[in-house]
Amino acid sequence: GAGVSQTPSNKVTEKGKYVELRCDPISGHTALYWYRQSLGQGPEFLIYFQGTGAADDSGLPNDRFFAVRPEGSVSTLKIQRTERGDSAVYLCASSRDSSGNTIYFGEGSWLTVV
Amino acid sequence: GESVGLHLPTLSVQEGDNSIINCAYSNSASDYFIWYKQESGKGPQFIIDIRSNMDKRQGQRVTVLLNKTVKHLSLQIAATQPGDSAVYFCAERNTGNQFYFGTGTSLTVIP
Repeated sequence: GAGVSQTPSNKVTEKGKYVELRCDPISGHTALYWYRQSLGQGPEFLIYFQGTGAADDSGLPNDRFFAVRPEGSVSTLKIQRTERGDSAVYLCASSRDSSGNTIYFGEGSWLTVV
Repeated sequence: GESVGLHLPTLSVQEGDNSIINCAYSNSASDYFIWYKQESGKGPQFIIDIRSNMDKRQGQRVTVLLNKTVKHLSLQIAATQPGDSAVYFCAERNTGNQFYFGTGTSLTVIP
């Protein structure tokens, strides 16, 4: 596609529920990144993929968070047993590869846990 | 962990004036830097980048300066326009290929 596409754009869920956030990167981009942004803060790194594998998942806050990219294109960020503190904008970005190319962001998925 | 900070959280400028947004970074091994603009409710938008082997790079109305000695980055916007009002972030890429962002500077352009 023309840009990074994220769905849903908004998600309201109850505490304790499971959510999935989807990212469709720019066509041909092999590197994909997930970030989380809280109000008034800069994006916080969560995980990045090079192809199908997670090259670095050191930013995932705990084992309730998991991300996959089974075919090296679309990625899904999965959050189990959501907590109110998980409320944030989840941003996805992609780049041609991970060797220092610019990363381009989607518009984000706004998650609200009530 | 990484630390990328901005000196001024808010900046107000008159339309037509030049704007300068500053950023300090902590990792001397970072080799690639990007400035992003983020408007309310939207994702960060790429503005300009610079690699560590450069001191200056110019784009359309924007210039990025890199001072590796003091680990400082700045974004200069010429003839600031109301459409430039947004939050600006600098991001540094570390040796692990992650990009780390600062808190951001909110730029307000006064017509």
